[in-house]
Parts: sequence; C-alpha cells; structure tokens
Amino acid sequence: NAGVTQTPKFQVLKTGQSMTLQCAQDMNHEYMSWYRQDPGMGLRLIHYSVGAGITDQGEVPNGYNVSRSTTEDFPLRLLSAAPSQTSVYFCASILPGNTEAFFGQGTRLTVV
Amino acid sequence: DQQVKQNSPSLSVQEGRISILNCDYTNSMFDYFLWYKKYPAEGPTFLISISSIKDKNEDGRFTVFLNKSAKHLSLHIVPSQPGDSAVYFCAASASGTYKYIFGTGTRLKVLA
Repeated sequence: NAGVTQTPKFQVLKTGQSMTLQCAQDMNHEYMSWYRQDPGMGLRLIHYSVGAGITDQGEVPNGYNVSRSTTEDFPLRLLSAAPSQTSVYFCASILPGNTEAFFGQGTRLTVV
Repeated sequence: DQQVKQNSPSLSVQEGRISILNCDYTNSMFDYFLWYKKYPAEGPTFLISISSIKDKNEDGRFTVFLNKSAKHLSLHIVPSQPGDSAVYFCAASASGTYKYIFGTGTRLKVLA
C-alpha cells in the first residue's frame, strides 16, 4: 500500500516557468489537499478537494491551480513560477468523517 | 490572520521528563483537533486527535487536553524520549469542512 505519492521530490524552476506537482493516493480517499511549508509559517492550505470534480481554495491559493478528474490524483499547477513560491509542498488525503490526514513525502521546489 | 497559533517555536526537555506543547485557536467553529509530528525531509505523520465533545484523549505516552472556553489545547508527552525530537504541529477543522488549518509548529528537542 503506497499511501500518498508525490512527484518529483525536488525541482528547480526559473521564474516564469510552469510546472505540475503530481499527487496520487491509493487509499480511495475522497478528500485531498495541498499545503506549503515555509519557515516560521507552518503548513498553509493552498487548495483542497472533497471529491472528483470538486475543488476549493484554501488560505493561500494565488498562483496555483488544481483539478480533480479522478479520486486518485490531485495535481497542483504553477502557471508562472515566482521566487515567492519557493517552498516545500505537501499533498494529503483524508478519510471521510473528520479523521487524520495522510501526507506524502513532499516536493521541495526552488524558483530562481 | 493566524487562526491556529503555536507561540513557542522551540522547546527543550530532558529525557524522561514531561514535554508540554501548547496550541491556541481563534475560530469557534473548529471542533476537531489533531497533532502531527514531522521529522526533517519527511511528511507530517498523525499523532493524536480530539473532538470538541471531549476534553482529554490518551494514546500511550501522548495525551491531548482541550479547553474549549479558553480555545486552547495542549499535548503532553510522558516520559519524553530522544526519538520524540521533531517538529510538532497542531491542526484544527470544523465539522464536514476537511479544511485542516495548521499552526506554525514547535520544535521539540529531547536531551539524553
């Protein structure tokens, strides 16, 4: 059981480039989320989804897009990367019923 | 505006003693609270949770206390072990939202 898988683990982008961070879970969880972790800021919610075809904004959604075409996948897109998006990104999936969130290993993104 | 606050960025405790990590929240709609532990270069892992219908929940060496009137929760680790050294995040959500809002984290160091 792989749990939550994020790819890539590391990425360096130039300002203005676009890319997609991949997240896949094999636990059949309906709910998935993206967070970013920055020093002194903790984990901040970017976007979340309560099921296939349904997404909503979190605390810091600007500069990011998401889609949820299947239960398993929840990709995060950076349309035009900025240095302020340098961060560690975590994807999480959640069982219904307000229980724990399961996190991936993270993607460390540097925008130069 | 930070809805979940962990005011102590770091804490050092001797092995075998009690570690107490604190968390405050401002949103009265929050009714489910969780603690996560995070080691470097890994995703956060779930530790313990508590629903607002309870004021205490225990799991082995870990106990979470909730004071709803003060909008305060704490995590007690007894006895503390060197392997407990990590960053601890508290998180909160409101029923059915699955939007987990995290605090900024407390780095715990347990000294052998």
